[in-house]
Amino acid sequence: QVQLVQSGAAVKKPGSSVKVSCEPSGGIFSSYVINWVRQAPGQGLEWMGGIIPLFGTAKNAQRFQGRVTITADESTSTVYMELSSLRSEDTAVYYCASLRRILRNFDWQSEAFDIWGQGTMVTVSS
Amino acid sequence: AIQLTQSPSSLSASVGDRVTITCRASQGISSALAWYQQKPGKPPKLLIYDVSSLESGVPSRFSGSGSGTDFTLTISSLQPEDFAIYYCQQLNSYPLTFGGGTQVEIK
Repeated sequence: QVQLVQSGAAVKKPGSSVKVSCEPSGGIFSSYVINWVRQAPGQGLEWMGGIIPLFGTAKNAQRFQGRVTITADESTSTVYMELSSLRSEDTAVYYCASLRRILRNFDWQSEAFDIWGQGTMVTVSS
Repeated sequence: AIQLTQSPSSLSASVGDRVTITCRASQGISSALAWYQQKPGKPPKLLIYDVSSLESGVPSRFSGSGSGTDFTLTISSLQPEDFAIYYCQQLNSYPLTFGGGTQVEIK
């Protein structure tokens, strides 16, 4: 059974950066499309961006442009999300999630985030 | 960005009740809509994809319907384990977006 295993909780100072990892266990690493979603305490879900490790291509939400970097390391089969210039509002649980897609009429169509990591709590505090 | 508006934001219901949650998109999203259930301290769990397709292992009391901009998640007979927060998500275009969530509480 495929799982996504994330790195542990982190406490960071305002202005610093955090790098969270996500390692799929099972399956073929290059076949995944890994996305990052965050959830501030008591709040809803917010998509941050995603990456296709096979191509190394990433797409980020506009509001995080310039602050978020999503990368994939095929040698370790790990995806990373780095968020810089941290502020208190970035305190949240960060989840990685695998996007399931289906080939329909010669075009890939997104179905859903079918597998989620356990979440990584990032606290930004001075 | 496509906005998803869920209603109600919360509801109280009893075991055995039929529960309906709606999700309205700010523009058409074809059939690229999914529903998730989230319990405290846990990641979201996929329930429904492609508007009405039931994810493997999800009880048949959950169902989805709708088209265009208006979508519905229905729980036909609420069970104790269904008390949670439910989110819709559109996957039609980037940025991918989620609804604000509906908390289902015990009456």
